[in-house]
Amino acid sequence: TQLLEQSPQFLSIQEGENLTVYCNSSSVFSSLQWYRQEPGEGPVLLVTVVTGGEVKKLKRLTFQFGDARKDSSLHITAAQPGDTGLYLCARPSTLGRLYFGRGTQLTVWP
Amino acid sequence: DTAVSQTPKYLVTQMGNDKSIKCEQNLGHDTMYWYKQDSKKFLKIMFSYNNKELIINETVPNRFSPKSPDKAHLNLHINSLELGDSAVYFCASSQGTGRGSYEQYFGPGTRLTVT
Repeated sequence: TQLLEQSPQFLSIQEGENLTVYCNSSSVFSSLQWYRQEPGEGPVLLVTVVTGGEVKKLKRLTFQFGDARKDSSLHITAAQPGDTGLYLCARPSTLGRLYFGRGTQLTVWP
Repeated sequence: DTAVSQTPKYLVTQMGNDKSIKCEQNLGHDTMYWYKQDSKKFLKIMFSYNNKELIINETVPNRFSPKSPDKAHLNLHINSLELGDSAVYFCASSQGTGRGSYEQYFGPGTRLTVT
């Protein structure tokens, strides 16, 4: 398996701050997905990035796929308590497999 | 309307027991999965079924036996439970299995605690 390294592992910030979390690998991926998991729930897909250099926006969330398709970042502007959760990047593989990173646990305090 | 549902939500049992977890999806998807999330929140695929056929067995001990009676259901039976089996087990489904980054829809999870 080709490992996905996510950083930071934990992030605790105040409401209104900006933040960026990272997903890195030494391998090239055909695509990458970002999921958010809230306590007591399963992960929910936020976005899929496919093209090197691609940028996708979802309200205050901005996702970027690296030019070489080995890394991705998620930037949140003006974080809110509702953004609290575990952010997971995942690499789709054969037969529908998803290989996940270990996640970034984000806590946004009011 | 719950897209992917699992029962039970919580399961506490003793070592050596046998238990089952059930999963149902009403999305009309052909593919269903079982994932295990450990205490450090690492999520790892265990099995996948496509049209009731097993297509992925990710080196899981044979104490774990999935069964898919039809495309909408995927159950997980665990024999001789061990302490290390304690985790949250997630069922998921997707429209297909191609490498085209199909979205997977996850259930709410079953928290299994083995004492």
